[in-house]
Amino acid sequence: GNSVTQMEGPVTLSEEAFLTINCTYTATGYPSLFWYVQYPGEGLQLLLKATKADDKGSNKGFEATYRKETTSFHLEKGSVQVSDSAVYFCALKGSNTGKLIFGQGTTLQVKP
Amino acid sequence: GAVVSQHPSRVICKSGTSVKIECRSLDFQATTMFWYRQFPKQSLMLMATSNEGSKATYEQGVEKDKFLINHASLTLSTLTVTSAHPEDSSFYICSARLSSSTDTQYFGPGTRLTVL
Repeated sequence: GNSVTQMEGPVTLSEEAFLTINCTYTATGYPSLFWYVQYPGEGLQLLLKATKADDKGSNKGFEATYRKETTSFHLEKGSVQVSDSAVYFCALKGSNTGKLIFGQGTTLQVKP
Repeated sequence: GAVVSQHPSRVICKSGTSVKIECRSLDFQATTMFWYRQFPKQSLMLMATSNEGSKATYEQGVEKDKFLINHASLTLSTLTVTSAHPEDSSFYICSARLSSSTDTQYFGPGTRLTVL
């Protein structure tokens, strides 16, 4: 079945550091891929998405490229801020289903 | 836009009682709503999918008689945890989707259920 695997956290960085959170997936067909962010005390928010191979999703300085050859959708940001501290979830939606399958989430802590 | 609310945000109940959680789409009509359960430091697990006016579709392993879902209108879905037990304590999250032609789900802030 479909599944998503994320790197375990927490990830602790200093402000302005480079961020990578790894995400790999297993799926049949051509899934859509997503990154969601959950700030403390809030619900999940869509951060970015990509719907086909080689697409790059981007938002708020975050980027992720849909790599079919490596079945990956790694999240990157060139310079993190304290306000980026949150839990980040990688997710996929199968090509013939409306269900979202989530990774286990990665907690990011950015220190000033 | 695209705000989803949940009520209550926290609830504590005694074992054996039933608890109802509401999920509302505030500024859009949601043809489909989803209910998830999130355990501490773990991922969201889909419990069920509900379409307005029809019966919910439950994921494997989720007891439909224990977790009653009603999607009576395009802006409201409810999850009732019947005869709650301590093992039902968890964080319950709903999401809403505009239509089947869109990928995007909008998530509520979640409800923390504690069963004593």
